[in-house]
Amino acid sequence: RKEVEQDPGPFNVPEGATVAFNCTYSNSASQSFFWYRQDCRKEPKLLMSVYSSGNEDGRFTAQLNRASQYISLLIRDSKLSDSATYLCVVTAITNAGKSTFGDGTTLTVKP
Amino acid sequence: DVKVTQSSRYLVKRTGEKVFLECVQDMDHENMFWYRQDPGLGLRLIYFSYDVKMKEKGDIPEGYSVSREKKERFSLVLESASTNQTSMYLCASSPTTSGRADHNEQFFGPGTRLTVL
Repeated sequence: RKEVEQDPGPFNVPEGATVAFNCTYSNSASQSFFWYRQDCRKEPKLLMSVYSSGNEDGRFTAQLNRASQYISLLIRDSKLSDSATYLCVVTAITNAGKSTFGDGTTLTVKP
Repeated sequence: DVKVTQSSRYLVKRTGEKVFLECVQDMDHENMFWYRQDPGLGLRLIYFSYDVKMKEKGDIPEGYSVSREKKERFSLVLESASTNQTSMYLCASSPTTSGRADHNEQFFGPGTRLTVL
């Protein structure tokens, strides 16, 4: 079983739709959680950190459920520019902030 | 603006050649990482370093070595390139691990697409 698991998709949604991605992790000692966005043939970039209380950044909402060991990302009012691969990232309490990346969920937003 | 640069965007090498990939960051970060990314396998950690001259094996270190002689520079070496090392190589850096979640953000370079023939 992978340490971090994501539904690979692809998710194909129309503009304006709401879409949610889930990610599960197996290491209960995990400390920090993130969602990264990766555009085609580009490097991953941080989308948002995920805090225990949940957090929102515009149309994006991230939630963490430590008891069930999963995090989620909700995108409201999808835009064409949201088309990308979304990577779930979990960092354990070890030196160097070593992180484990999920394989990513691909989202395509269509007109 | 934070910046991680990699020595090449595209590289084509022959089997058995020694390959050097260099990564430089200008953010004074303590931690640096080398990943490879392959379709269906996601990002896999090759090596990482949390200080000058320090290195730790990641999940797939076989066939690779690294060096960190200066804080800003982390080099990856393929001692004898093989076709199964054809991949996208991504370097990243992050500040020192701390209780603050945003201190663990990793900043990535643009990647080097390596093809081994």
